[in-house]
Amino acid sequence: DAGVIQSPRHEVTEMGQEVTLRCKPISGHNSLFWYRQTMMRGLELLIYFNNNVPIDDSGMPEDRFSAKMPNASFSTLKIQPSEPRDSAVYFCASSLLGVGGYTFGSGTRLTVV
Amino acid sequence: DAKTTQPNSMESNEEEPVHLPCNHSTISGTDYIHWYRQLPSQGPEYVIHGLTSNVNNRMASLAIAEDRKSSTLILHRATLRDAAVYYCSPPLQGAQKLVFGQGTRLTINP
Repeated sequence: DAGVIQSPRHEVTEMGQEVTLRCKPISGHNSLFWYRQTMMRGLELLIYFNNNVPIDDSGMPEDRFSAKMPNASFSTLKIQPSEPRDSAVYFCASSLLGVGGYTFGSGTRLTVV
Repeated sequence: DAKTTQPNSMESNEEEPVHLPCNHSTISGTDYIHWYRQLPSQGPEYVIHGLTSNVNNRMASLAIAEDRKSSTLILHRATLRDAAVYYCSPPLQGAQKLVFGQGTRLTINP
């Protein structure tokens, strides 16, 4: 298995632009999580899905952030419009609901200038 | 919420055992205790998890206190590749989601 695949690995964008981060979970996993990591705030859970349905989005910082999971093999996290304070590493993770641990992707390093 | 407390940093020598403690005094009775680690410039990596009994796998052992208010991750023979930030993370009470604290930064001396 190739693990959790995130793209792009790095993204540099200008303030005000739309940014879309992508995640392909491990085949067969039915839970998907989006995290954000900064030096100041550590690892923060943004949102998670079970069976493609958003369960808890209380960690999504603002309406500028949105996440979708149109099918079991793909999820997106969109920021529109982006701001410099959104600069962080964004991780996607997947798991089999109720079993075992999470598998994290390698992350997307987002820089908003 | 199951809050966790871990030392900010620990240091050990190569090939020696390392015991990483975690307090989670508000954990609920059905929440598993998870441990993850994050190597530099990588995503977090699952290490081990358990509910009540001590657990072993190829990476580490997990010792869980009888009252479940604390646990200890044991690396039996540390190597330089074990240098990482280690997080313990029970799920939020009644929920599935894992919330990570600041973790313990483990340094391994050659």
